[in-house]
Amino acid sequence: EKLLTQSPATLSVSQGEGATLSCRASQNVNTNLAWYQQKPGQAPRLLIYRASTRATGVPARFSGSGSGTEFTLTIRSVQSEDFAVYYCQEYNDWPPSRRTFGQGTKLEIK
Amino acid sequence: QVQLVQSGAEVKKSGASVKVSCKASGYDFTSYYMHWVRQAPGQGLEWMGIINPSGGSVHFAQKFQGRVTLTRDTATSTVYMDLSSLTSEDTAVYYCARTTSGNYYFDYWGQGTLVTVSS
Repeated sequence: EKLLTQSPATLSVSQGEGATLSCRASQNVNTNLAWYQQKPGQAPRLLIYRASTRATGVPARFSGSGSGTEFTLTIRSVQSEDFAVYYCQEYNDWPPSRRTFGQGTKLEIK
Repeated sequence: QVQLVQSGAEVKKSGASVKVSCKASGYDFTSYYMHWVRQAPGQGLEWMGIINPSGGSVHFAQKFQGRVTLTRDTATSTVYMDLSSLTSEDTAVYYCARTTSGNYYFDYWGQGTLVTVSS
C-alpha cells in the first residue's frame, strides 16, 4: 500500500517568515498530488492540485512543487490565517487508498 | 455556488447503525463522484469510499467493506452513508467530498457530521 509521509510533524514559524512543508510518497505518484489546509472545527480546504496548481481563490503566497515521490508546499511570508494543519493527498491510482492522505503537518506560531 | 450540506450530529450506542446525508447543490450532481472521508478526534483524514451518482457504482476501502453502504437519490441530489456495527473507534467527524471522475482530489467538502458512539 502506498504511503505518504509528511515532515515535519510540527513547524513553528513567526508571522512574516517563510515555511516549507514536505510530503514524501513511498511510490511514484507522478504529479498526482494535492495539498489541503484544515483549521480547527472546519473541513479541509483544497490549496494545490496536480502538485503545483493553485485552487481557485488561493493566495499566491502558497506554492507547490515536486513530482514522483518528493513534494513541497511553500508558504511565502506566513500570515496569521495560515496557522493550521496541512495534509498532502495522492490520487495517482485507482482505487483510492484508505491512507491516501499524509498524516499532516501542523503549522504553529513561534 | 457549489455546496455540500450534511446532516446533523448523531449519538449512537455501540452496535447500532448511523446514516449521514450529504445534499449537493450548485452543480450537475451526476457529473462528479462523491467520497466519504472521516477524521477521528485529534487524528488525520481517512478515506472510506466513493459513489458515482450517475450509475450508483461504489467502491470502499477494505477496512470498511461489509460495514458501509453508500446510496444516492438523484431526485434530491443527495448521497447517503450508512455505517453499521458501530464501535467507539467509529467516533469521528464524517465528511462528504466531491471529485471529478478523472482526478480524485477533493475540491469541495461538506461541513462534516460528528458521530459519537457510546457504550
